[in-house]
Amino acid sequence: DTQMTQSPSSLSASVGDRVAITCRASQNIGRYLNWYQQKPGKAPKLLIYAASSLQSGVPSRFSGSGSGTDFTLTINSLQPEDFATYYCQQSYSPPRSFGQGTKLEIK
Amino acid sequence: QVQLQESGPGLVKPSQTLSLTCNVSGGSISRGSYYWSWVRQPAGKGLEWIGRMYSSGSTNYNPSLKSRVTISEDTSKNQFSLNLRSVTAADTAVYFCARESNWGPRVDYWYLDLWGRGTLVTVSS
Repeated sequence: DTQMTQSPSSLSASVGDRVAITCRASQNIGRYLNWYQQKPGKAPKLLIYAASSLQSGVPSRFSGSGSGTDFTLTINSLQPEDFATYYCQQSYSPPRSFGQGTKLEIK
Repeated sequence: QVQLQESGPGLVKPSQTLSLTCNVSGGSISRGSYYWSWVRQPAGKGLEWIGRMYSSGSTNYNPSLKSRVTISEDTSKNQFSLNLRSVTAADTAVYFCARESNWGPRVDYWYLDLWGRGTLVTVSS
């Protein structure tokens, strides 16, 4: 099974900042990596699939990069609505697995 | 517009079976290239993938739950279901149903693009 590790676990930033969240897979997963955003009391929302493809309707300030074992979610010019928890997920093979999450908080 | 909605008991006794249903509206679960999935989230914790099923009936489960889980479909009702047997307090969580879709010019990249709102299930006597 593939283990996913995110860093950092939490992050404080200000509106307008650029932030990066990293995700590392325990084996080579190619570009089979997705990113989700979750706000309290809500279901996760797909942001990025296939490592770098932006889901329809997601603002272009979100971007994803990486392949193999190391991936990054970058958010440019943070907006107030971006403060949430972010999860990576591998779709290389079942069982699917998620990272432990990165909570992005307002500084 | 396809929508998913979970339903089922909010309280289950220890050792009993947790049964949830996901109603799919706006589209047929037997059409298209989709997996129908369950994910759970204990309070204050991260997401845990439970398993999925394809319209053909094939399934994949999380090995940590495989001995207790069954995911099945009822195409006549356009629903799919989760049964988790012999539950304990550790199974207390918000349970989400979700659709896994695919994309790709040469290979299939899969992702969970549609989610239900989630339903809280508490295991307690």
